[in-house]
Amino acid sequence: QVQLVESGGGVVQTGGSLRLSCAASGFTFGITPMHWVRQPPGKGLEWLAFLSHDGSIDNYADSVKGRFTISRDNSWNALYLQMTRLGADDTAIYYCARHREDGSFDYWGQGTLVTFSS
Amino acid sequence: SYVLTQPPSVSVAPGKTARITCGGDNIGGKSVHWYQQKPGQAPVQVLYSTTDRPSGIPERFSGSNSGNTAALTISGVEAGDEADYYCQVWDSLTYHWFFGGGTKLTVL
Repeated sequence: QVQLVESGGGVVQTGGSLRLSCAASGFTFGITPMHWVRQPPGKGLEWLAFLSHDGSIDNYADSVKGRFTISRDNSWNALYLQMTRLGADDTAIYYCARHREDGSFDYWGQGTLVTFSS
Repeated sequence: SYVLTQPPSVSVAPGKTARITCGGDNIGGKSVHWYQQKPGQAPVQVLYSTTDRPSGIPERFSGSNSGNTAALTISGVEAGDEADYYCQVWDSLTYHWFFGGGTKLTVL
């Protein structure tokens, strides 16, 4: 049974940093590309980042390029999202999602919430 | 950037058919995927590759895609289908993934 469990969310201040984690199980993580997607409260989904199975190819949405870094540790079946220079617009639930060959996302975690304190 | 346009809301009576559209420039040339999201829950894939249903998704869910419009059709709508629905594509030019703004399906 495929499981994706995000962690690491919390309250941050403007300009701060945060590292999110996604623990994967129930499938062969080391051969599977992965994504991060976010959803601001009451709003729609926004794709953020892609990482190939071996970590050699990544791609980012323009809104986070240069601020966020996606990475993985296949020995720990873990996906990460390092977020820097955070602002109020980054308030959202952050999901990790499994990549399908057809370009869709077939499994999603339950998400982790990132909010801001002024 | 590739823009996907969905109607904010669609309402349908139980047992009737709901059609949720997703507009995009020549979207007919792309593979379209659909997700259902109920309040407080993560999205769940309901269609992939325009017309294919993941295991466990009822046959009532079907898809189409032509020209500048893709659509998710839900026949025999049930109260449990009430949710937000998102379309999604992958753009091979930018190697980016895009979502529509979402459609709230209300079962009257």
